[in-house]
Amino acid sequence: GAGVSQTPSNKVTEKGKYVELRCDPISGHTALYWYRQSLGQGPEFLIYFQGTGAADDSGLPNDRFFAVRPEGSVSTLKIQRTERGDSAVYLCASSLGGLGETQYFGPGTRLLVL
Amino acid sequence: EDQVTQSPEALRLQEGESSSLNCSYTVSGLRGLFWYRQDPGKGPEFLFTLYSAGEEKEKERLKATLTKKESFLHITAPKPEDSATYLCAANNYGQNFVFGPGTRLSVLP
Repeated sequence: GAGVSQTPSNKVTEKGKYVELRCDPISGHTALYWYRQSLGQGPEFLIYFQGTGAADDSGLPNDRFFAVRPEGSVSTLKIQRTERGDSAVYLCASSLGGLGETQYFGPGTRLLVL
Repeated sequence: EDQVTQSPEALRLQEGESSSLNCSYTVSGLRGLFWYRQDPGKGPEFLFTLYSAGEEKEKERLKATLTKKESFLHITAPKPEDSATYLCAANNYGQNFVFGPGTRLSVLP
């Protein structure tokens, strides 16, 4: 595809459940980023991958959040024991190279934890 | 700590009424200042990157400028389709993007 894609577009879950959010970056982009955006706020950095490895995971709020990118392309953000405060839009972005290069965003996954 | 603020929080303009949005940043060594447009329910769409003070970039009715402490997004003769939230982000060398909270622009016909 031409752009970054994310699935599902919407996810409703119950408190305490496990969820997985998927991101498919632009073909050829080596860097991939996850952000979280709350209503009325700008995106908040979560984690950055360069290739298969997490180069910076300093934005993950706690150990319930984990992300993988096993083959250096698609990435999955995993949230365990979801809490109502996890409700937000989760955005994925990719860039051709590493930090400092223009990031191109996907449409986001809207997560609602009931 | 790196920080980005934007003003105003919201702006309502009449069609054709030009204005400017402000992005102020405090980062220790700016590598790039990025502007994005975000429509409701969608991801941010890239507009511009500025790298050094004095640099300007234009696209249709938008022009972005950069000084050592802030960036402006000038909107000339806006149209209703320019209504969106405009986000800026600062990138410090070796660090990730820090986004501002955005300015919600409404252009009334």
